[in-house]
Amino acid sequence: GQQVMQIPQYQHVQEGEDFTTYCNSSTTLSNIQWYKQRPGGHPVFLIQLVKSGEVKKQKRLTFQFGEAKKNSSLHITATQTTDVGTYFCAGPMIKAAGNKLTFGGGTRVLVKP
Amino acid sequence: DGGITQSPKYLFRKEGQNVTLSCEQNLNHDAMYWYRQDPGQGLRLIYYSQIVNDFQKGDIAEGYSVSREKKESFPLTVTSAQKNPTAFYLCASSTGVIGSPLHFGNGTRLTVT
Repeated sequence: GQQVMQIPQYQHVQEGEDFTTYCNSSTTLSNIQWYKQRPGGHPVFLIQLVKSGEVKKQKRLTFQFGEAKKNSSLHITATQTTDVGTYFCAGPMIKAAGNKLTFGGGTRVLVKP
Repeated sequence: DGGITQSPKYLFRKEGQNVTLSCEQNLNHDAMYWYRQDPGQGLRLIYYSQIVNDFQKGDIAEGYSVSREKKESFPLTVTSAQKNPTAFYLCASSTGVIGSPLHFGNGTRLTVT
């Protein structure tokens, strides 16, 4: 079946450093969404990418959609303690009725001050 | 102030009992969803509904039931047939348009002993 995988599962980052987390789909996606879940909280929508090769920025976060629309990445520069949380990517399930998303397993980000 | 309300935040039940989790939204969204999240894990889809009086099974529907009698409400019943019911349950909604983002409630943490 359709799968969305994220690596790494855990990311330990020194405050101020950069890092990248990756999202890979077993099938081509029409779009990809990214969500952030703070510890003890609920997922919050961050951004959606639609076009092949699309790059979008939100302050220190840079999101990219692969040329083949099967992978995506999230790059965070100058990591801060506010970046702590789990980042999920999600894509629409093929041959599914309605707006049904498949979520990746998430990358849990821990920041060392 | 529009949003999704899940209640209660914490729920404790004895094994063998059915329990119903509430989810209400005032965003006028057509689609609603139930996800299950286990510690350190991603989101797994239990059920989703595109419109009133219609719903489809997700990836892990066994042991769960839902109803969608009103647009605003999508309650989830965890039955005694669910083998490992202890988990964090998240309700979400979207406009239903393919690729539209999900808005999540604060979640209900269910513990069954």
